[in-house]
Amino acid sequence: NAGVMQNPRHLVRRRGQEARLRCSPMKGHSHVYWYRQLPEEGLKFMVYLQKENIIDESGMPKERFSAEFPKEGPSILRIQQVVRGDSAAYFCASSRTGTGGLEAFFGQGTRLTVV
Amino acid sequence: AQSVAQPEDQVNVAEGNPLTVKCTYSVSGNPYLFWYVQYPNRGLQFLLKYITGDNLVKGSYGFEAEFNKSQTSFHLKKPSALVSDSALYFCAHHSGGYNKLIFGAGTRLAVHP
Repeated sequence: NAGVMQNPRHLVRRRGQEARLRCSPMKGHSHVYWYRQLPEEGLKFMVYLQKENIIDESGMPKERFSAEFPKEGPSILRIQQVVRGDSAAYFCASSRTGTGGLEAFFGQGTRLTVV
Repeated sequence: AQSVAQPEDQVNVAEGNPLTVKCTYSVSGNPYLFWYVQYPNRGLQFLLKYITGDNLVKGSYGFEAEFNKSQTSFHLKKPSALVSDSALYFCAHHSGGYNKLIFGAGTRLAVHP
């Protein structure tokens, strides 16, 4: 059973470009969470999605950031018109259900560098 | 606001000695508490969790944690530290009734030979 798969592992974008980060959850998991880790900081929750639904986006910046989890395919975190402050590690996690105290399993992250 | 706090940025321990990484929580209702470990340039790995039941929770790699309601703490412990335990440790809790995690700032554990 493959774990949570994120790609790419490393992504370099110039200021103003778009960044697309992909996350395939573990088999049998239909709940996906995105977190951002700035250098030397902890992880901050961004968004929680189920298939085709955004459940909680309270941690998402109001502009330029969007997320989706379509019926088929991976979850996508999209950052438009990237700025240097978007440089961070973005982690995806998945769990089998959305409640009940289950632990989430994390991918290895995508490290975004904006130059 | 509901949160977890890790009061120590870094903990230094000699190999073979016991280690403790501290975590306190401020959560209404019954807290769901977790410990995760992050090795350099890697994702987070689940160590253990407290949902209900015994206050002493045993997890992966010989780690354990004690839930203390009166002190609102959930400290991570290991009887004998290994150099390979050196990593970044995060305490977290579930928030909003969902399995989304709210993390502490992290504690860097350095185990010296």
